Formats: sequence, C-alpha cells, structure tokens
Amino acid sequence: DIQMTQPPSTLSASVGDRVTITCRASQSISSWLAWYQQKPGKAPKILIYKASSLQSGVPSRFSGSGSGTEFTLTISSLQPDDFATYYCQQYSDYPWTFGQGTKVEIK
Amino acid sequence: QITLKESGPTLVEPTQTLTLTCTFSGFSLTTNSVGVGWVRQPPGRALEWLAVTHWNGVEHHNPSVNGRLTILRDTSKNQVVLEMTNMDPADTATYYCARRLVWQGMDYWGQGILVTVSS
Repeated sequence: DIQMTQPPSTLSASVGDRVTITCRASQSISSWLAWYQQKPGKAPKILIYKASSLQSGVPSRFSGSGSGTEFTLTISSLQPDDFATYYCQQYSDYPWTFGQGTKVEIK
Repeated sequence: QITLKESGPTLVEPTQTLTLTCTFSGFSLTTNSVGVGWVRQPPGRALEWLAVTHWNGVEHHNPSVNGRLTILRDTSKNQVVLEMTNMDPADTATYYCARRLVWQGMDYWGQGILVTVSS
C-alpha cells in the first residue's frame, strides 16, 4: 500500500496567516492526489484534485502543488471558517489511502 | 443537485453482517467515468477508504478488511449497497458513501452514518 504522511498532526495559526500543509507519499503517485477539509461531525469536502486543480466553488485562497511524492496545500490568508482538519488522499493506486490529517487550530 | 445518503443500522452485534445502502440522486452510475465509493472513519481517527464501484462494473476493495466486503449496485434505484461480514468492535465508525469521477477525487459525500458494534 502507498503510505501518506502528513506532518505535523496539528498546526496553530492566526486569521490572516499563510498556511502550508504538507503531504508525502511513500512512492510516486504522479499528480493523483486530492485534498479534503473536514469539520467536526461533518463529511469531508473536496478542495483540490489532481494535486493542483481547484474544485468548483472552493475559494481561491486554497491552492495545491507538487507531484511525485511531495505535495502541499496552501491557504493564502487563513479565514475563521478554515479552522478544520485537512486530509490528503492518493488515488494513483488501489487501495486508495489517506494521510492521518493535519488539524489547523487557532493560535 | 447531487446528493447521497447512507442508511442502515446504527447498532450491530459482533459477528453480524452490516448492510448499508447509499441512495443517490443527480447523477447516474451508468455514466462514463462515474463511481461510488465507501469511506469510514472511526471516532477521533483518520479516514479509511473501503471500496468503490464504477460505471463499467469494475470494483475495488481494500484488502485491509480481509475479504469481508461485498458491493451490490442497483442502477435502476440509484443505490449502492455495502455488506461487511463478521463485524467487530474495531469496525465502529462513521461510514460515508461518496461519488467519484475518474481522474478526480471524491467530490460529493453523504452525511455519514455512525455504526456502533457492540453486544
């Protein structure tokens, strides 16, 4: 299985901060990576697919980059609604796998 | 408008079989490049992908569940059914179904259903 690693598990930031979340794959997944945002008690919401494509309706402050084994999700200016847990997911190979998540909390 | 909703028991006993139904609208599972997948999340833990079925009948299951999964599809009813045998307390989780498009991630999700395995 392809292992997805998301250090750190928790990230403290303030409103207006530029936030970068990293995701590493244990082997190359090309650009077959998605990012999701999840709030407590809610279903995940897709933000980015194919590493850097912004899902329709998602604010432009979210962006994704990377290919191969190293990926990042960037929030250009953190908003109050962005405090949540973020997961990366590879869909290059089965079984699809998720990272352990990065929780963005208020500093 | 695309919606998905999971239904089924919220409490099952150990060794029983779990049957969950995903009822969806706003898209068809017979449309090229469409799939419906299942993902679960134990309380306080990360997401785990379980299985997916595609428009062309191709399915994939996560080997981590040791062959306990079956996916059934009824395209006339817009439903996908997940069966998981020999349930264990470790299978306690919120179970989600989601639509996926090939080359994209899972773009629409159900609200999830919390299934507790306990005697």
